[in-house]
Amino acid sequence: GAVVSQHPSWVICKSGTSVKIECRSLDFQATTMFWYRQFPKQSLMLMATSNEGSKATYEQGVEKDKFLINHASLTLSTLTVTSAHPEDSSFYICSAPGGLTDTQYFGPGTRLTVL
Amino acid sequence: DAKTTQPTSMDCAEGRAANLPCNHSTISGNEYVYWYRQIHSQGPQYIIHGLKNNETNEMASLIITEDRKSSTLILPHATLRDTAVYYCIVNNAGNMLTFGGGTRLMVKP
Repeated sequence: GAVVSQHPSWVICKSGTSVKIECRSLDFQATTMFWYRQFPKQSLMLMATSNEGSKATYEQGVEKDKFLINHASLTLSTLTVTSAHPEDSSFYICSAPGGLTDTQYFGPGTRLTVL
Repeated sequence: DAKTTQPTSMDCAEGRAANLPCNHSTISGNEYVYWYRQIHSQGPQYIIHGLKNNETNEMASLIITEDRKSSTLILPHATLRDTAVYYCIVNNAGNMLTFGGGTRLMVKP
């Protein structure tokens, strides 16, 4: 199946700093990627849709100026958490549609801890 | 997106078949049934999907009722490593997925 990678797998940062998370489709191209976050003991919640060559679309309640998304190529989308605070600590996961039937394949996730 | 209903949790004995049900009575004609699982602290893993016909791959079998209002994921010989949260999701191909609570499957020795 199609492979999606994320980097880093985990990151710890100080409050007020910015953190960039990368999502790559390794063996296929994706004009659209999706970003989710998951808090402990909760299900995945969609944050935004990343569109190659155009602006991302954000779900209601997700601050676009805080969670900057850049989809600069057909294999890479980045999520930057700006001015991170402890409440941004979460598990961030990306997905991309691939294969013959555009099945969503997920990355391994990035655990962000903001101190 | 059509909503799905799954049991909150299930137990299964190691080596036995695990049958995970899912109801999706409002599914529309062009929506697929997808199954994913999430092992603790990992991203969701794709298992299988189908539109109308039953499907089988190396991981599992998917049985979809004729009216498409429900389906069952079958893990033929469950192992301890199959312990995870299993999500049944219906959607059009390529679209973002909406996750419900899923079924927490516990495989016991």
